[in-house]
Amino acid sequence: GAGVSQTPSNKVTEKGKYVELRCDPISGHTALYWYRQSLGQGPEFLIYFQGTGAADDSGLPNDRFFAVRPEGSVSTLKIQRTERGDSAVYLCASSLKGSMNTGELFFGEGSRLTVL
Amino acid sequence: SQQGEEDPQALSIQEGENATMNCSYKTSINNLQWYRQNSGRGLVHLILIRSNEREKHSGRLRVTLDTSKKSSSLLITASRAADTASYFCATDLISGNTPLVFGKGTRLSVIA
Repeated sequence: GAGVSQTPSNKVTEKGKYVELRCDPISGHTALYWYRQSLGQGPEFLIYFQGTGAADDSGLPNDRFFAVRPEGSVSTLKIQRTERGDSAVYLCASSLKGSMNTGELFFGEGSRLTVL
Repeated sequence: SQQGEEDPQALSIQEGENATMNCSYKTSINNLQWYRQNSGRGLVHLILIRSNEREKHSGRLRVTLDTSKKSSSLLITASRAADTASYFCATDLISGNTPLVFGKGTRLSVIA
């Protein structure tokens, strides 16, 4: 597709379960970002990939969160032992530029995670 | 922590009126961007203004940047009901290689 694709669009899980969220960026975009957005708040940075490597993971809240991008395209955000506080919309974005500086981010529609 | 803070948090206007939203930030930036988000959707880029620019236009949008006051404004002229959305400013720091940091947003309601 032409845009950033995220699956699933909605995920309901129970506390303690493991969750994977997938992001398929725009073809040719080398930079990929994960953000988390709680109700009424702006997106909060989690992690940024440049190619296959995580260039900045300073936003990951704790070691239950992990993300990979093994072939420099699709990325998976993994959350272990989910907690109710993890409930949020997880947004993925990609950009053409090689640096986090400047440049427009293209966002997906998000994956809404609800932890019961 | 959030770099940019939008003001007001919510704004309700009649169709045809102009809407002005403000963004203040704390540290020197490389550029500032504005994004729009319809309810339940992803963010869409509206406009980017660089630190050496003072004003930029795109259609009905006008963005200003005052680096001395560390503030920006987004003006939407002749608003339409379809402009109803949340609007976010986002900044990246002049130090470089920093993530784009978003504010909490302004929720704009345009009443037909």
